Amino acid sequence: GIQVEQSPPDLILQEGANSTLRCNFSDSVNNLQWFHQNPWGQLINLFYIPSGTKQNGRLSATTVATERYSLLYISSSQTTDSGVYFCAVPYNQGGKLIFGQGTELSVKP
Amino acid sequence: DVKVTQSSRYLVKRTGEKVFLECVQDMDHENMFWYRQDPGLGLRLIYFSYDVKMKEKGDIPEGYSVSREKKERFSLILESASTNQTSMYLCASSSIGQHYGYTFGSGTRLTVV
Repeated sequence: GIQVEQSPPDLILQEGANSTLRCNFSDSVNNLQWFHQNPWGQLINLFYIPSGTKQNGRLSATTVATERYSLLYISSSQTTDSGVYFCAVPYNQGGKLIFGQGTELSVKP
Repeated sequence: DVKVTQSSRYLVKRTGEKVFLECVQDMDHENMFWYRQDPGLGLRLIYFSYDVKMKEKGDIPEGYSVSREKKERFSLILESASTNQTSMYLCASSSIGQHYGYTFGSGTRLTVV
């Protein structure tokens, strides 16, 4: 089945720094999503980005489908950005997603 | 504000007990999912349902069953809880027409002692 790998597994930043999170996937996909899980466990959908680039405030994401990777950029990081970031791609049918193992981000004041 | 609500935030159960985890969504979504999340393993799909009374096994269905009698409610059942089922359980729903965009509940942290 399709494999989803994220890097780095952990990241510690000083507030105000920028960062790039990477998601590699082993097969072609028509759907890729980025999620943020806050320290209390709530998962929020950040981006649906099967290809191209999208921006939402300080966050942006780029997917290069032909090369099977996606990047999530966080600029001017804030402590509220802390948590775990997951990428996910569909497999089989019916809207099922397979998730990467996540990048745990800690932003220090 | 649309929501996926999980009935319990924290649960502690004894080995061998039958455990019910409830999930309710108010978005009229067709699809509903149960995942478990463990450190280093990410989210793994247990079961999902694409319609009332319809269900399919995910990647790790052993030891679990599900019930979907109404569109808005999807229940996860641990027939006989074991310590290796201690985990965070996450329910999600999605609509077929929205690029499978997921909405997650806030999770249930289950401890089996």
